[in-house]
Amino acid sequence: KAGVTQTPRYLIKTRGQQVTLSCSPISGHRSVSWYQQTPGQGLQFLFEYFSETQRNKGNFPGRFSGRQFSNSRSEMNVSTLELGDSALYLCASSLGTGQVNEQFFGPGTRLTVL
Amino acid sequence: AQKVTQAQTEISVVEKEDVTLDCVYETRDTTYYLFWYKQPPSGELVFLIRRNSFDEQNEISGRYSWNFQKSTSSFNFTITASQVVDSAVYFCALSSGGYNKLIFGAGTRLAVHP
Repeated sequence: KAGVTQTPRYLIKTRGQQVTLSCSPISGHRSVSWYQQTPGQGLQFLFEYFSETQRNKGNFPGRFSGRQFSNSRSEMNVSTLELGDSALYLCASSLGTGQVNEQFFGPGTRLTVL
Repeated sequence: AQKVTQAQTEISVVEKEDVTLDCVYETRDTTYYLFWYKQPPSGELVFLIRRNSFDEQNEISGRYSWNFQKSTSSFNFTITASQVVDSAVYFCALSSGGYNKLIFGAGTRLAVHP
C-alpha cells in the first residue's frame, strides 16, 4: 500500500500571503489529522477530519482551516501568514472508526514564511 | 489536563549499549492510548507501538521493548544492543478523550555512535 503523501514538500511564502497544503491518506483510511511541528512548541495537533467533517480541533487561530474531500484527501489552509507559522506541517491518516487507531504520518510540508 | 513528559532531551550512547527512553503521562480519563513514534533525520514520523490503558502487558519486538506501568503513569521504551540506525528523535504520545488527537511529548534525541 502506498503511504501518506503530502504536497508540496517545501514552500516559501511571505508574510500576509496564504497557503494551501495537500494530503492524500493511505487507501481505505478515512481519518486525516494535521499537526504542526516547530522547534519551540514541538508537535501540536491542528485538527482532524473524518468523512468530510471536522471531528476535533486543536488550539490554533481561525487562520488555520482545513477540509476533507469525499475521497478522504485533505487540504489545510493558512491565511494571512505570520513569521511564526514557519514549521513542518505533518499529515497523518488512520482508519478512523471504532477505537483509536495508530496514525501513519506523511513526510511533511516544510513551510518557510519570510 | 493531558500531558506527556519526556524528561530526557538528549541521550548519547555507543553502539551495542542498551538505552531506555522515559515517558510519563497525565490524564484523568480511564480509557486512553499511548504511542511511540520515531523521527529520523528525514523528518517522517514512524509509528512504533500503540498501547491501550487496559493492557499493561509489556511488549517486545525484536530489539525494542516497552514497559507500561499505570501505577507510575509511565510508558518507557528500551532499545537493546543499540545500532547507529537507531539514531533519531523519539516521541511518546497520548490519545485521551477524543479520537485521533495525539498529545506529544517534547521528544528525546538519541545519538548512537559507532
